[in-house]
Amino acid sequence: NAGVTQTPKFQVLKTGQSMTLQCAQDMNHNSMYWYRQDPGMGLRLIYYSASEGTTDKGEVPNGYNVSRLNKREFSLRLESAAPSQTSVYFCASSDDPTSGSRETQYFGPGTRLLVL
Amino acid sequence: GNSVTQMEGPVTLSEEAFLTINCTYTATGYPSLFWYVQYPGEGLQLLLKATKADDKGSNKGFEATYRKETTSFHLEKGSVQVSDSAVYFCALSAIFNDYKLSFGAGTTVTVRA
Repeated sequence: NAGVTQTPKFQVLKTGQSMTLQCAQDMNHNSMYWYRQDPGMGLRLIYYSASEGTTDKGEVPNGYNVSRLNKREFSLRLESAAPSQTSVYFCASSDDPTSGSRETQYFGPGTRLLVL
Repeated sequence: GNSVTQMEGPVTLSEEAFLTINCTYTATGYPSLFWYVQYPGEGLQLLLKATKADDKGSNKGFEATYRKETTSFHLEKGSVQVSDSAVYFCALSAIFNDYKLSFGAGTTVTVRA
């Protein structure tokens, strides 16, 4: 049981390049999330998916797109990377709401992205 | 809207010292409150949580009590160890916000031997 996995662990991009961050969970969770972590700002929600087939914007969605490929996988795409997107990106998932513990989120190890 | 304010760090302590990290919140309705911990180079892990007023969450010697009257959820540990060095995040979630987590800025704690 790996929990939440993310690839890659580290990436360097040039301004204007594109890339996709991958996330997968093996806990059969319905909900998945993408956050970015910047110094002094905590974690900010980029996009989330409450269930397979749905996605919604979070606090800072500009410059990003997401795909909920299936129940396990939730990818984050940067179409044209900018230096302001240099950050650490975390994926998370949470329980089925019917279990009463949807509010507890489980995090992946993160992807460190540097945009030059 | 929902927001969380936690004390700014960094906090540096000696081993066996008492640790307190203050956290206050603003929220609609009755949120659940959390403390997450991030060890160096890792993702966030749930440390403890409380889902209603006067609940006390506890784990690994850490405790926090949900105080609705003061809208607070302060984290405490009586005797810290070097292994407690980490970044600590206070967070809340509420059904009115579709259970999305709102995080504080994080407090970096360093424990010296």
